[in-house]
Amino acid sequence: AQSVTQPDIHITVSEGASLELRCNYSYGATPYLFWYVQSPGQGLQLLLKYFSGDTLVQGIKGFEAEFKRSQSSFNLRKPSVHWSDAAEYFCAVGVPNAGKSTFGDGTTLTVKP
Amino acid sequence: NAGVMQNPRHLVRRRGQEARLRCSPMKGHSHVYWYRQLPEEGLKFMVYLQKENIIDESGMPKERFSAEFPKEGPSILRIQQVVRGDSAAYFCASSPLAGDQPQHFGDGTRLSIL
Repeated sequence: AQSVTQPDIHITVSEGASLELRCNYSYGATPYLFWYVQSPGQGLQLLLKYFSGDTLVQGIKGFEAEFKRSQSSFNLRKPSVHWSDAAEYFCAVGVPNAGKSTFGDGTTLTVKP
Repeated sequence: NAGVMQNPRHLVRRRGQEARLRCSPMKGHSHVYWYRQLPEEGLKFMVYLQKENIIDESGMPKERFSAEFPKEGPSILRIQQVVRGDSAAYFCASSPLAGDQPQHFGDGTRLSIL
């Protein structure tokens, strides 16, 4: 069965600083990979997804992620964070054509002014 | 996430009562997924339904929980005889095709058990 690990429970960065959120997955083949953002009391918004092809994926709100097969990682990056980026971020892995996704426990991002 | 509609947004029940959570998928979507999010945790898959069929219920607790997606109307997640540990956010997602990803998520129902 697939699994997802987000090693960082909570990260604090200053506004304008760069950001990297880590995600490691376990799956026997190439999975579908996703990053979602969740604001308090809200649902999940898809930031970006990887299915195949180019391993550097561009998403919304200036986010990008890089799939590294050798490291089983799919880290999320942003060159300059904004105060509005403060939220919970979830990495998820999906088995192709299986429907359901498996989520990590999330990383809470705090942005200092 | 307005496309997938969940109601109610907040639901309060006393221990032993029943909770019914509703999910209307996006227009044109016939596949529905329910997830549960406990405090400080990620989403955990519960059940995957197609119209009138349960496709995968590997994440559903064995007792008190049931789900349906009738031919007409929303999908319903039903929790009987609720206990304090059922307090969580329950999210519904939908997709147009079998196994299609990613799914589109609703804003969730926050269930609180007194």
